[in-house]
Amino acid sequence: SQKIEQNSEALNIQEGKTATLTCNYTNYSPAYLQWYRQDPGRGPVFLLLIRENEKEKRKERLKVTFDTTLKQSLFHITASQPADSATYLCAPGGDMRFGAGTRLTVKP
Amino acid sequence: NAGVMQNPRHLVRRRGQEARLRCSPMKGHSHVYWYRQLPEEGLKFMVYLQKENIIDESGMPKERFSAEFPKEGPSILRIQQVVRGDSAAYFCASSPLLASGANVLTFGAGSRLTVL
Repeated sequence: SQKIEQNSEALNIQEGKTATLTCNYTNYSPAYLQWYRQDPGRGPVFLLLIRENEKEKRKERLKVTFDTTLKQSLFHITASQPADSATYLCAPGGDMRFGAGTRLTVKP
Repeated sequence: NAGVMQNPRHLVRRRGQEARLRCSPMKGHSHVYWYRQLPEEGLKFMVYLQKENIIDESGMPKERFSAEFPKEGPSILRIQQVVRGDSAAYFCASSPLLASGANVLTFGAGSRLTVL
């Protein structure tokens, strides 16, 4: 069956460092993969979409990679800030299932 | 554009009652998704609908739960004979029909159901 795994349930880093979150999937061959951010008590918000023919995509301090051979996407936040603290969700492909999310905490 | 509107935001029901949650998608969006989220847990897909059609309901419990997206009006998630385990946040999301085929979702603020 299809499975989506996001690295750790929680990730704590110091302000200014780069946060790296991992999304692994099995039994999928997605044409694209999406990342969303969810703050407590709110609905997720779309951040980035990367297609299978794109190795990397950037948006301001965010960078996403997509390795279809490894079946993995990495999500990086550079120069992290306390305001980046949230849960980050990945969704491979078009059936819009989400991983369990990684809760990121950026400490000042 | 008001975004995806969900109501009610909070709903309290006693065991055995019915819960109806409504979702108005963004203007121009023809696809609606429903998700359930338990406290401290991930988003669990329930159902995917287009106008007047259920496309994928593989995440929906077989009993007591139903969803519709009529030609006119909001999408409705209906839970009959609620039990305490139904207490959760229910999120609706909508997406447009894109030529590229990618479904980028816009989520509502969620409806929080508490079953006493």
